[in-house]
Amino acid sequence: QSVLTQPPSVSGAPGQRVTISCTGSSSNLGAGYDVHWYQQLPGTAPKFLMYGNNNRPSGVPDRFSGSKSDTSASLAITGLQAEDEADYYCQSYDSRLGVWVFGGGTKLTVL
Amino acid sequence: QVQLVQSGAEVKKPGASVKVSCKASGYTFSRYAMHWVRQAPGQRLEWMGWITAGNDNTKYAQKFQGRVTITRDTSASTDYMELSSLRSEDTAVYYCARDRPSGSDYDRAFDIWGQGTMVSVSS
Repeated sequence: QSVLTQPPSVSGAPGQRVTISCTGSSSNLGAGYDVHWYQQLPGTAPKFLMYGNNNRPSGVPDRFSGSKSDTSASLAITGLQAEDEADYYCQSYDSRLGVWVFGGGTKLTVL
Repeated sequence: QVQLVQSGAEVKKPGASVKVSCKASGYTFSRYAMHWVRQAPGQRLEWMGWITAGNDNTKYAQKFQGRVTITRDTSASTDYMELSSLRSEDTAVYYCARDRPSGSDYDRAFDIWGQGTMVSVSS
């Protein structure tokens, strides 16, 4: 089981808005550690998508936004496009395990 | 441009060791730490360890303690990850990922990723 829990899949039609949740605990998100997000297109390496809960690296469209509250975080994607179809992973630090941890990943399907 | 280029795919027998390289370009290598992350087929990403910038200190996930060694050759702008006593469960894609500096020792993100190196362990 993952320390950070994500839904296995989400879907939406082009142009719609979807959110991907990431649920942690008192030893990671609840302890105040930041959450970061990555996008992994099929057969490729993960791509840096969001850092520090709600900051986009340069080049990431503003259709992507992030938020965090206590033990939960979420990634929102508005104006869904076909090229958004990918796996999305959240990541944070866990003080109980003493390591950086990832969520189980969420597969986004654009209908 | 900033990039990390990893060594090619490896096929190993159980009990053997593998050493994966990660060559950096486009930035001042010595100023950035590097993490290693693996992904078994169909599985989530798993952090293995990292090497810090400047003093080349290393920290490993307890799961891999004693089996993994991360080293740095600053003159070659290359980091290495060696995993020993391989077993079938080590079959995975191994990634190097550059550390994004932050003011916190713990709020680290991984901003540049290598293309991945497939390591297959089979008798």
